[in-house]
Amino acid sequence: NFMLTQPHSVSESPGKTITISCTRSSGDIAGNPIQWYQQRPGSVPTIVIYEDNQRPSEVPDRFSGSIDRSSNSASLIISGLKTEDEADYYCQSSDRFNHWVFGGGTKLTVL
Amino acid sequence: EVQLVESGGGLVKPGGSLRLSCAASGFTFSSYTMTWVRQAPGKGLEWVSSISSSSNYIYYVDSLEGRFTISRDNAKNSLFLQLNSLRAEDTAVYYCARVSAGVFDIWGQGTLVTVSS
Repeated sequence: NFMLTQPHSVSESPGKTITISCTRSSGDIAGNPIQWYQQRPGSVPTIVIYEDNQRPSEVPDRFSGSIDRSSNSASLIISGLKTEDEADYYCQSSDRFNHWVFGGGTKLTVL
Repeated sequence: EVQLVESGGGLVKPGGSLRLSCAASGFTFSSYTMTWVRQAPGKGLEWVSSISSSSNYIYYVDSLEGRFTISRDNAKNSLFLQLNSLRAEDTAVYYCARVSAGVFDIWGQGTLVTVSS
């Protein structure tokens, strides 16, 4: 099976832009869609990006996603950071055996 | 309102068993693949198991070694997870979630399983 590796933490000031990476250890990052979930403290996860770069209607357009086949990684980009964006973020994908894998999560701190 | 409500968690001794339930409402339960995800205290999310709408396809994370069994009762809009031979490392909040086009789009609030002597 494969792993999805994320940075443990990232911090930035309000109004700035951050990028959270998610690197797939084996297999093509483009082979299966990448999802991104936000989990605020004490809350359940919610989807913020699906199918690599699609955003649910209720998610602000400050959130975007992309994949880079050259680095076999996906990225979650949040622009115009707000304190409400402070949360843990998890990438997720699946393999050809219909097993899902989550990244280890990235704690975003908005200073 | 679309809702998932888990129950059945609690404190159990190592080697013991528990049966988790997830009651669905507000959507056509029988049309969706369902899944269980767990989160150990202070740790990240771990996918545990999934079951297709008609129970034809069932998948588990490799690390379970056959100790857990997922099932569903579409007539009762319910999802289950039987946990056997529990270990300390199974201590976690267990979430059920609806799967829609590969997205875990609806999550329950979770039920805490604590394995300790």
